[in-house]
Amino acid sequence: DQQVKQNSPSLSVQEGRISILNCDYTNSMFDYFLWYKKYPAEGPTFLISISSIKDKNEDGRFTVFLNKSAKHLSLHIVPSQPGDSAVYFCAASGVSGSARQLTFGSGTQLTVLP
Amino acid sequence: DSGVTQTPKHLITATGQRVTLRCSPRSGDLSVYWYQQSLDQGLQFLIQYYNGEERAKGNILERFSAQQFPDLHSELNLSSLELGDSALYFCASSFGQGAVYGYTFGSGTRLTVV
Repeated sequence: DQQVKQNSPSLSVQEGRISILNCDYTNSMFDYFLWYKKYPAEGPTFLISISSIKDKNEDGRFTVFLNKSAKHLSLHIVPSQPGDSAVYFCAASGVSGSARQLTFGSGTQLTVLP
Repeated sequence: DSGVTQTPKHLITATGQRVTLRCSPRSGDLSVYWYQQSLDQGLQFLIQYYNGEERAKGNILERFSAQQFPDLHSELNLSSLELGDSALYFCASSFGQGAVYGYTFGSGTRLTVV
């Protein structure tokens, strides 16, 4: 049972336009949500996060929106640049037992076309 | 360089064999996490260690085991390997027992079972 879902395996966007990556989750116990970016042959790197008590967090060209009632979050990249082409993973953080765990979605391959 | 070191980067082995993957966490980090990424799959959590003790288990097969040593490096042992074990194996680290803001990942070990 996937607790974190990214239903779009891929997304292509023109340079300069907005990229919107979506993520849905099922577990109400998640209290932090994160986005990671992954280039080929590298490990995932942290991009941006949001606490469940907020609905928006912005960092430069990246904004994450959280809709708790819909259990949905999205990552907006404006303007998109070719260097943003990568796999983006949505992740949700929550306490399970005595440990905090990070649960990842399956990723979305973003391609920004010049 | 994320500060998390994984060796080897690539490993090719035959079915039925046993391999050991190694991870050195970022300096000062006490927790180590192991994740598996199979083709077209997200990052599946395997196991977590904190300061030498197992803290959480995910979808880790009985054929797999791990440990964290006093110097905080960790090893993931995979035995009786099957073709389906071919995947990218990532190690991540964090200071606490579960970083709210996520983990720092290594660049991974690509395991190919033939």
